[in-house]
Amino acid sequence: QTVVTQEPSFSVSPGGTVTLTCGLSSGSVSTSYYPSWYQQTPGQAPRTLIYRTNSRSSGVPDRFSGSILGNKAALTITGAQADDESHYYCLLCLSTDIRVFGGGTKLTVL
Amino acid sequence: QVQLVESGGGVVQPGESLRLSCAASGFTFSTSGMQWVRQAPGKGLEWVAFIRNDGKSIYYRDSVRGRFTVSRDNSKNTLYLQMNNLRAEDTAVYYCAKDFNWGFDYWGQGSLVTVSS
Repeated sequence: QTVVTQEPSFSVSPGGTVTLTCGLSSGSVSTSYYPSWYQQTPGQAPRTLIYRTNSRSSGVPDRFSGSILGNKAALTITGAQADDESHYYCLLCLSTDIRVFGGGTKLTVL
Repeated sequence: QVQLVESGGGVVQPGESLRLSCAASGFTFSTSGMQWVRQAPGKGLEWVAFIRNDGKSIYYRDSVRGRFTVSRDNSKNTLYLQMNNLRAEDTAVYYCAKDFNWGFDYWGQGSLVTVSS
């Protein structure tokens, strides 16, 4: 069974840049998996940040960007702010009928 | 503005059934695919099911296939998730989400389902 992998945790300094990644236990992530990214703070519903690899959802600041880096999907946050401290999840469409979330990355801003 | 409002959650015993509803507004429901996503307490997000706008294509994760049924009533702008033979591991907050470009763009606030004896 294919597992979608994410760093369990990451930290960034205020104003800094951080890149979170989303990989596969076997194989490479490409745009064909339509990677998307979601932000979730405790007790809240997820918020969509990025869809189809690198398209920002409505209202999402351009500090958030998506890409493919090597064999993984990536979410880069530039100029990190305190309220970016959240869990971040990626989603991959492994086939028409299979969608899988990664385990999530807890981002700390300090 | 787009709104998705889930209802129907609660506490049930293992083996029992529950039906969740998701009332949609602010967009053309009949032209949008919809999905269910769940999140167990303290855990990550887990994709559950997808239904195409016309209801003719439906997909489930392996662990719920045969027990859960997703459906929709486009005349009522409502999405449903019928959950039968519930197990303790189905305990989670269930979110409905609007399908968009192989992901989601809007999410409901969630409905808590607790399966416990």
